[in-house]
Amino acid sequence: EAQVTQNPRYLITVTGKKLTVTCSQNMNHEYMSWYRQDPGLGLRQIYYSMNVEVTDKGDVPEGYKVSRKEKRNFPLILESPSPNQTSLYFCASSPGQGAYGYTFGSGTRLTVV
Amino acid sequence: SQQGEEDPQALSIQEGENATMNCSYKTSINNLQWYRQNSGRGLVHLILIRSNEREKHSGRLRVTLDTSKKSSSLLITASRAADTASYFCVPTGRRALTFGSGTRLQVQP
Repeated sequence: EAQVTQNPRYLITVTGKKLTVTCSQNMNHEYMSWYRQDPGLGLRQIYYSMNVEVTDKGDVPEGYKVSRKEKRNFPLILESPSPNQTSLYFCASSPGQGAYGYTFGSGTRLTVV
Repeated sequence: SQQGEEDPQALSIQEGENATMNCSYKTSINNLQWYRQNSGRGLVHLILIRSNEREKHSGRLRVTLDTSKKSSSLLITASRAADTASYFCVPTGRRALTFGSGTRLQVQP
């Protein structure tokens, strides 16, 4: 089944403790992206990747890092999480940026205390 | 901004009725996409309509696009309780998808 898989689905962590949210797609998509969703603010793009080893900032990149060493994986790294990063995170992939529909993962609900 | 603005913000209908959601945008586009999000879940791509198309159907969904008015509509016919969700229109060009606030549709059984 074609899908984007995120892990974990739920995560509670403490301020400052580094964490990684994994994202993997099995559709050989070139484009991958991370979004966060907050009440009243909608979905905002954090980072995106046009292809392997090509990443760029979205609208809200502060406090996040990403890497794209393989085509299928696009992990989101929070080096020193803070409470304002408590949010619902989504990974998405697409054959290309903008011209195709995106496939979204099921989301990761992160709470930073 | 390439973001779409959905209208109304919220819509409540009875099962079996049709639901119409509208979208307006400001920039030129290559295509326009509609997504659905059930509460707290991932978004699901519903339909993509290209800028040279005026209408597109997919099952119970009918999407129209008027590029001269920079507007689109999504019609869900014979709605079901399972259609309860938020719906987002996403006008797209060369930039990444930008999502608005969506229309929250409630279908009462």
